[in-house]
Amino acid sequence: ETGVTQSPTHLIKTRGQQVTLRCSSQSGHNTVSWYQQALGQGPQFIFQYYREEENGRGNFPPRFSGLQFPNYSSELNVNALELDDSALYLCASTPFQGRGYGYTFGSGTRLTVV
Amino acid sequence: AQSVTQLDSQVPVFEEAPVELRCNYSSSVSVYLFWYVQYPNQGLQLLLKYLSGSTLVESINGFEAEFNKSQTSFHLRKPSVHISDTAEYFCAVSAALIQGAQKLVFGQGTRLTINP
Repeated sequence: ETGVTQSPTHLIKTRGQQVTLRCSSQSGHNTVSWYQQALGQGPQFIFQYYREEENGRGNFPPRFSGLQFPNYSSELNVNALELDDSALYLCASTPFQGRGYGYTFGSGTRLTVV
Repeated sequence: AQSVTQLDSQVPVFEEAPVELRCNYSSSVSVYLFWYVQYPNQGLQLLLKYLSGSTLVESINGFEAEFNKSQTSFHLRKPSVHISDTAEYFCAVSAALIQGAQKLVFGQGTRLTINP
């Protein structure tokens, strides 16, 4: 059984650019969530996808957007990057929209905006 | 809205000593509670979870946590720590999204440092 895999592991972008982060969910998990973890902070919920539809969103601006594909993998897109977007981006998957099953997290993508 | 407070940002202890990492939550509904561990430069790993039933839950590596509804707490304990337990520990509570879906709300984390 494979876990959650994320790519790339590290990324450096310039302010104003756009970035796409990718995530493959754990086998059998149909729900994918994205979290932003700034340095020294706990993860903050960005949004969640279930059956290719967004079913929840945190306090993040519209320039943060996502997709989920039929194989349950997902992408996080961030437009017009700002310096404060520098963080570890974590993808997590769970079965059944996370109703008490807990989430399996990937190792994250470290994004640095310069 | 659900929230989590981890009362200690850093906890230094000596190897083989006991440790308690404190977590309080705020929720007006039934909750699921989780502890995750994050080793340096890695993602989060689920340590243990409380969903229902027995209020004392255990992990495979000797940690345990007790759900206390009256005190809205879910403290993490280990009777004897090892150097390998050095990590960041996050307490999390589930929060409702639409259509019965859930998300996680995390605390700020507690950095556990084990000294030889």
